[in-house]
Amino acid sequence: EVQLVESGGGLVQPGGSLRLSCAASGFTFSTYWMSWVRQAPGKGLEWVGNIKQDGSEKYYVDSVRGRFTISRDSAKNSLYLQMNSLRAEDTAVYYCARGLVATSDYLDYWGQGTLVTVSS
Amino acid sequence: DIQMTQSPSSVSASVGDRVTISCRASQDLSSWLAWYQQKPGKAPKLLIYSASTLQSGVPSRFSGSGSGTDFTLTISSLQPEDFATYFCQQANRFPITFGQGTRLEIK
Repeated sequence: EVQLVESGGGLVQPGGSLRLSCAASGFTFSTYWMSWVRQAPGKGLEWVGNIKQDGSEKYYVDSVRGRFTISRDSAKNSLYLQMNSLRAEDTAVYYCARGLVATSDYLDYWGQGTLVTVSS
Repeated sequence: DIQMTQSPSSVSASVGDRVTISCRASQDLSSWLAWYQQKPGKAPKLLIYSASTLQSGVPSRFSGSGSGTDFTLTISSLQPEDFATYFCQQANRFPITFGQGTRLEIK
């Protein structure tokens, strides 16, 4: 059974940093694109970025480029999101999601999400 | 960035009704479009990709159509478990973008 479990969320002050993790199981992690998607409270979905199977390609939405970094560790079957210079508008539930086989951009499995709150 | 606009923003319907939700893209997507269902407090669930391909395990009452800039999600006969919020998503180019969502409520 495919499982994605996010962790690392919490309360952080504006300008602070946080690192989210996503533990993957039930599939061959190293063969799939992986994405992060966020959802502000009561709002819609916003794609944050994704990473290729071998980590050689990464793409980000403009609003986080230069502040957030996606990485992965296939030995640990884990995906990461390093978030720096956090702003109030980064407050959201962050989901990790797997790209459908043979494509990067359709997301067929999602974690349960982890809440990040940026506030003083 | 490609803008995705869904209509309506919300719709009320009854069990057994046929419901259609529309999604319009600001640029030609060919067939690079997906639909997701999200229930309160839960992660989204992939229903349809490539505009009309049903994801494994999704009931056949869900169908998708369209190409280019105009797409439709149809639920042929609403079931109680279908009341949720639906999002379209373009996969034609980065950044991936989603529609604002359509909330399907019980009448």
